[in-house]
Amino acid sequence: RKEVEQDPGPFNVPEGATVAFNCTYSNSASQSFFWYRQDCRKEPKLLMSVYSSGNEDGRFTAQLNRASQYISLLIRDSKLSDSATYLCVVSGSARQLTFGSGTQLTVLP
Amino acid sequence: NAGVTQTPKFRVLKTGQSMTLLCAQDMNHEYMYWYRQDPGMGLRLIHYSVGEGTTAKGEVPDGYNVSRLKKQNFLLGLESAAPSQTSVYFCASSSGTQLNTEAFFGQGTRLTVV
Repeated sequence: RKEVEQDPGPFNVPEGATVAFNCTYSNSASQSFFWYRQDCRKEPKLLMSVYSSGNEDGRFTAQLNRASQYISLLIRDSKLSDSATYLCVVSGSARQLTFGSGTQLTVLP
Repeated sequence: NAGVTQTPKFRVLKTGQSMTLLCAQDMNHEYMYWYRQDPGMGLRLIHYSVGEGTTAKGEVPDGYNVSRLKKQNFLLGLESAAPSQTSVYFCASSSGTQLNTEAFFGQGTRLTVV
């Protein structure tokens, strides 16, 4: 079993739609949680950290459920520029990042 | 604003050849990482370092060696390249001082082993 599992995707949604990505992790000792975004053939970049209380950044909302070892990302009012691969990431005590395989999102005009 | 710089950006190797990938960061970060990314596999950790002079194995270390002689540099070596090492390699660094510390990535090295 992979340490971080994500929805396989791809997700193709129209502009303005709301889309949700889910992720589960297997290591209960994981300490930090993130969503990274990766554009085609580019390096990953931090989208947002994920906190137990849930957090929001504009159109993006992230949730963490430690008991279920579940992380989610909600994107509201999708834009064409949101098209990318979204990577669920967890971190351990040595700060090494473990990545999910990623979920590809395409926002259609 | 250099951030994390990887060299080279592209390389084609013949099976059995050796090479070194260089990662340099100018943010005074303690932690540095080497990942490889293959289609459908996500990024997998090869080796990492929590400070100058230290290295540790990640998820897929076989066939690779690393060195961190200077804080700003993290080198990844392939002693005898194999076609299975064809991949995109990403270096990353982070300060590691807080739990939710952001990791910054280089632009990647696209390596093909023929």
